[in-house]
Amino acid sequence: AQTVTQSQPEMSVQEAETVTLSCTYDTSENNYYLFWYKQPPSRQMILVIRQEAYKQQNATENRFSVNFQKAAKSFSLKISDSQLGDTAMYFCAFIGAGSYQLTFGKGTKLSVIP
Amino acid sequence: DVKVTQSSRYLVKRTGEKVFLECVQDMDHENMFWYRQDPGLGLRLIYFSYDVKMKEKGDIPEGYSVSREKKERFSLILESASTNQTSMYLCASSLSGFDYTFGSGTRLTVV
Repeated sequence: AQTVTQSQPEMSVQEAETVTLSCTYDTSENNYYLFWYKQPPSRQMILVIRQEAYKQQNATENRFSVNFQKAAKSFSLKISDSQLGDTAMYFCAFIGAGSYQLTFGKGTKLSVIP
Repeated sequence: DVKVTQSSRYLVKRTGEKVFLECVQDMDHENMFWYRQDPGLGLRLIYFSYDVKMKEKGDIPEGYSVSREKKERFSLILESASTNQTSMYLCASSLSGFDYTFGSGTRLTVV
């Protein structure tokens, strides 16, 4: 079974600064996908970024980028130029290729301080 | 955009009541899911369905059942609600594994 570990229950960052959220996972599969989801106080889960394991290039979406280290089974999220609207719970998630079931980490609560 | 609608945002029920949580999606997705979200535990899968009338247990199915009579609707049933089922419940749907769309959640309180 796959497991996803987020070791930082809570983090804070000053507005306009950069913050990195950590995620490690454990799997015996070679083909899989990794995700970061954001859940603001509105409770709507929003996909932030996705990484295919077969791609060596790290995914980037505007201010959000990942550092994907396949051998180390690490998948961290970097948020640059943090904004107040980035305040949310962030969940790391894993899905094996051919599977339909997402496995989530326990989440990191990020607070952006003005 | 795909929309997943959960019928109630907040719900308060009494211990022992039978509770129905409803979820409807409007994009003809094959797969639908019910997750439970608790602080410090993340999201845990209760049940999922990959087709009408088909269902599979997730990680924490005890105390729950599901129904999928139509493709667009997936219901979570608490046969006899208990206080330890007080939680946030999230419904999701997907066509493949990469396009999950979530509802806004139902916060259930069992008193």
